[in-house]
Amino acid sequence: GQNIDQPTEMTATEGAIVQINCTYQTSGFNGLFWYQQHAGEAPTFLSYNVLDGLEEKGRFSSFLSRSKGYSYLLLKELQMKDSASYLCAVSLPRSNDYKLSFGAGTTVTVRA
Amino acid sequence: GAVVSQHPSWVICKSGTSVKIECRSLDFQATTMFWYRQFPKQSLMLMATSNEGSKATYEQGVEKDKFLINHASLTLSTLTVTSAHPEDSSFYICSAREAGETQYFGPGTRLLVL
Repeated sequence: GQNIDQPTEMTATEGAIVQINCTYQTSGFNGLFWYQQHAGEAPTFLSYNVLDGLEEKGRFSSFLSRSKGYSYLLLKELQMKDSASYLCAVSLPRSNDYKLSFGAGTTVTVRA
Repeated sequence: GAVVSQHPSWVICKSGTSVKIECRSLDFQATTMFWYRQFPKQSLMLMATSNEGSKATYEQGVEKDKFLINHASLTLSTLTVTSAHPEDSSFYICSAREAGETQYFGPGTRLLVL
């Protein structure tokens, strides 16, 4: 089976920084995705890490440590529109059609 | 680029009827399409993986005779929920990938079975 753990909820103030951690133990690993999902909508792609290290993309950054089975998504300069669920997903190897195994999601609430 | 559409966006049906949901990749050819189900406040659960021209691969616990998947072309996959019951009410989301790993998601279909 696949185990992907992330906190259930986080709350932060507008303009602040929030870090969402994700740990994983999976039968295979090809890379790690972060998706954003607003209530009632489908997920949208945020980031993809395959090598160790930090990937920065505007206000969002994602980090991966393959040896530790650990990733985080960093949201800077939080805006109200960032209130959403953030999904950590492990991409399984090509032999598994690059299937994604999702964590339960972290609901981030941004307060004024 | 990488746009995936789904139709219908929502559907209400009576118990016992069948419902077909279409998933299309609009600007790329999808090597593989995936079907997920999401219950309120839960994460996405993969139901099946579909490659064009071959039978879908279903995840453990998903009834293949109840959730029929057809992937007739590189841009279209359909999911038919047969003899739907209230417990099948859910948010059904498809995704598609081209040659790489990134999956692009459709907008989802909300199904309510009365």
